[in-house]
Amino acid sequence: QLQLQESGPGLVKPSETLSLTCTVSGGSISSSSYYWGWIRQPPGKGLEWIGNVHYSGSTSYNPSLKSRVTMSVDTSKNQFSLKLSSVTAADTAVYYCARSGGYGAAGPGDWGQGTLVTVSS
Amino acid sequence: QSALTQPASVSGSPGQSITISCTGTSSDVGGYNYVSWYQQHPGKAPKLMISDVSTRPSGVSNRFSGSKSGNTASLTISGLQAEDEADYYCSSYTTTTTVVFGGGTKLTVL
Repeated sequence: QLQLQESGPGLVKPSETLSLTCTVSGGSISSSSYYWGWIRQPPGKGLEWIGNVHYSGSTSYNPSLKSRVTMSVDTSKNQFSLKLSSVTAADTAVYYCARSGGYGAAGPGDWGQGTLVTVSS
Repeated sequence: QSALTQPASVSGSPGQSITISCTGTSSDVGGYNYVSWYQQHPGKAPKLMISDVSTRPSGVSNRFSGSKSGNTASLTISGLQAEDEADYYCSSYTTTTTVVFGGGTKLTVL
């Protein structure tokens, strides 16, 4: 059974870079038909799609975050990662990693449990 | 990209049926059969309930069904149960190869 687990700092200072890693178990990150992505949810608010990445390196990002987002895959570790630069308090949220089928077109099907990242000095 | 439009809240009594709408444009909901629905209980990760407009993943109750007409997708829950009380979100693929979520709907079981 596929499992995804987010990891990374729970507290990031304003203007710094948020870095998270998602470890995939029970399946290969190198599956050609899947994309691996990130979704976030500010406290008390709705879901926001951040973007996704294919094991080949192909990416797609939310236009509103594109200038600050970088996603990558490490196939040797079966992990993928998110970097969000120049963070502000507005980036405080629970960050979920997820797998999407349909070559990325299908909505996220499998989700991690989420990790809260707070942006504060 | 603009979020898909969902009603902020819906409610129903046990045993009744409710429908949640999700309205987009021809660039997302209306243009692709890649609409998904998620259920989220407080403090939990979202759970996929419907994919590809109307496909139920294995293990999801057949009380949940999805459909689409034009730029609007719908999630129907029949035979409402107390455990259905949760937040529901729709999502859609878009012409710019991104994914957009709806604002979410809070379902209250009276």
